Amino acid sequence: DTGVSQNPRHKITKRGQNVTFRCDPISEHNRLYWYRQTLGQGPEFLTYFQNEAQLEKSRLLSDRFSAERPKGSFSTLEIQRTEQGDSAMYLCASSPWGTQNTGELFFGEGSRLTVL
Amino acid sequence: DQQVKQNSPSLSVQEGRISILNCDYTNSMFDYFLWYKKYPAEGPTFLISISSIKDKNEDGRFTVFLNKSAKHLSLHIVPSQPGDSAVYFCAASADGGYQKVTFGTGTKLQVIP
Repeated sequence: DTGVSQNPRHKITKRGQNVTFRCDPISEHNRLYWYRQTLGQGPEFLTYFQNEAQLEKSRLLSDRFSAERPKGSFSTLEIQRTEQGDSAMYLCASSPWGTQNTGELFFGEGSRLTVL
Repeated sequence: DQQVKQNSPSLSVQEGRISILNCDYTNSMFDYFLWYKKYPAEGPTFLISISSIKDKNEDGRFTVFLNKSAKHLSLHIVPSQPGDSAVYFCAASADGGYQKVTFGTGTKLQVIP
């Protein structure tokens, strides 16, 4: 399977705990995005990378959230001191910007976070 | 600040008829628009896109129309099929798609056999 891979698919945690999600993009894609989706809403932009450079972070991304893409390949999204309001589906997407400028994003299946 | 708006949360259409999904945007900097389809428990998948230099783009049963002056776009599906039943998201970007992609809230389409 050469699509975008996200792990874990589902994470249940207690309030105050830290969680980390991993995203493995399609190998030749240099852009990587993180979105958050809650019930009845569309994907909300969190942050994105071009190779290892983080280009933009949303105001939604409080200081409890941090994302990295250390070698320009996989990425991690860490949430510290989780709150119940962090419960959502966290979506990762990648795109081959610069080689195929369609703007199309290829999404993974998402990581669902439940904070108790 | 919802820059991409889909005002119809749901739509039901008979199989074989036309489905029309609408989207409005407020950011004048948007010049690249996309539609995504999402099935339950899956990530969104790309459907079709259009650049602001065009007013129409077709791909098989799917056609997207763009009205820049009204800041409005629509997705037409003809003929509609039961497998088209899904949530459809309108999305937009600036700088020809270089900037981040902003999504609408989605329209749930149900195609009735």
